[in-house]
Amino acid sequence: GAGVSQSPRYKVAKRGQDVALRCDPISGHVSLFWYQQALGQGPEFLTYFQNEAQLDKSGLPSDRFFAERPEGSVSTLKIQRTQQEDSAVYLCASSLAFSQPRVRYEQYFGPGTRLTVT
Amino acid sequence: AQRVTQPEKLLSVFKGAPVELKCNYSYSGSPELFWYVQYSRQRLQLLLRHISRESIKGFTADLNKGETSFHLKKPFAQEEDSAMYYCALSSNTGFQKLVFGTGTRLLVSP
Repeated sequence: GAGVSQSPRYKVAKRGQDVALRCDPISGHVSLFWYQQALGQGPEFLTYFQNEAQLDKSGLPSDRFFAERPEGSVSTLKIQRTQQEDSAVYLCASSLAFSQPRVRYEQYFGPGTRLTVT
Repeated sequence: AQRVTQPEKLLSVFKGAPVELKCNYSYSGSPELFWYVQYSRQRLQLLLRHISRESIKGFTADLNKGETSFHLKKPFAQEEDSAMYYCALSSNTGFQKLVFGTGTRLLVSP
């Protein structure tokens, strides 16, 4: 079956441009996560959605970052006025459901979008 | 503060040698620990989780709460084990926001 897909796979933006990164989670997956992975680092949490509700956005680095999931499926991560420090791989992950005590659902990762800001 | 430390950026071994990828963590409470793997040109995928207590592809990891460690071990490395390995933790309640280490690249030579 189809896994998590992300588009575009590569994006080059000039400093100051706005970008939009798309994530298509696995069908039926309730939970959706965005992570940012800088070069040589591990992924870092950005934000979490349960269906269309954004329950945690504590990892978004600035108010230039905005994420939405209006119908509880596809999600878009938008970065306004991109800066060089935004250059990274942006990973999306989805899981089947909200975790219940002692019930754990695996997060399935997409291939990522590599953003380069010049 | 939640933190995962993987002290080795690169671990290079010969085929058939034992492998241990180190992972230490700091967390206030009882976290869940995971190992994720990323093979060349593939996406990040779950290798194993401590609550499952299972061996995947010959790898095992034991949670040592006293030493706050979750080292990944395999007795005999294979060339196909060459990959990037990330240790991660999450809360054991609520949604599973993952906190990752910086990763260790394992290179298994013939």
